[in-house]
Amino acid sequence: TQLLEQSPQFLSIQEGENLTVYCNSSSVFSSLQWYRQEPGEGPVLLVTVVTGGEVKKLKRLTFQFGDARKDSSLHITAAQPGDTGLYLCAAQTGANNLFFGTGTRLTVIP
Amino acid sequence: DAGITQSPRHKVTETGTPVTLRCHQTENHRYMYWYRQDPGHGLRLIHYSYGVKDTDKGEVSDGYSVSRSKTEDFLLTLESATSSQTSVYFCAISESSTRGGTEAFFGQGTRLTVV
Repeated sequence: TQLLEQSPQFLSIQEGENLTVYCNSSSVFSSLQWYRQEPGEGPVLLVTVVTGGEVKKLKRLTFQFGDARKDSSLHITAAQPGDTGLYLCAAQTGANNLFFGTGTRLTVIP
Repeated sequence: DAGITQSPRHKVTETGTPVTLRCHQTENHRYMYWYRQDPGHGLRLIHYSYGVKDTDKGEVSDGYSVSRSKTEDFLLTLESATSSQTSVYFCAISESSTRGGTEAFFGQGTRLTVV
């Protein structure tokens, strides 16, 4: 059983389209992070959300933390080929451990 | 840049041989982690360390051991490599976010193939 379920697993869209990916759990978290990973590299932190209902924007990326702090979404507006990558959500479990979802692999076609 | 270096970056080894992967950090972080990444499984925690000689198991620790004799180095050892341990291994450090929570910073990974 996955603590963090991400959907969809794969997403292929045309440049300029909008998209939303989801990270869901039955557990409540004090914070949640989103990472992006490009081929051959380690994941890179995009954002941390800590408050239920919080919305954070990073240029064309909008992150939302659910009111109950069990889920999160990432919305990309006008996707660009540079957005291609694996998007991972992660939540803290235990004292200082991060548990990762299985990821959404996004391909933006020029 | 969290100053994390993994070595080697690529390795091919034979079943049954011991393998050690090294993670080196330059910024005196207390917490260090080893993850493996496999298709369909995302990143799974193998072991982590919360200080020199202080380590604990993650969710997929069987077949792996770790050591941390000094702050900057965290070693992952496969005592007797098996084909199921073919994977990409990532080392990470963590920092406490000023807004709360823990944020991870990763090395570039080691691609290990066991033949």
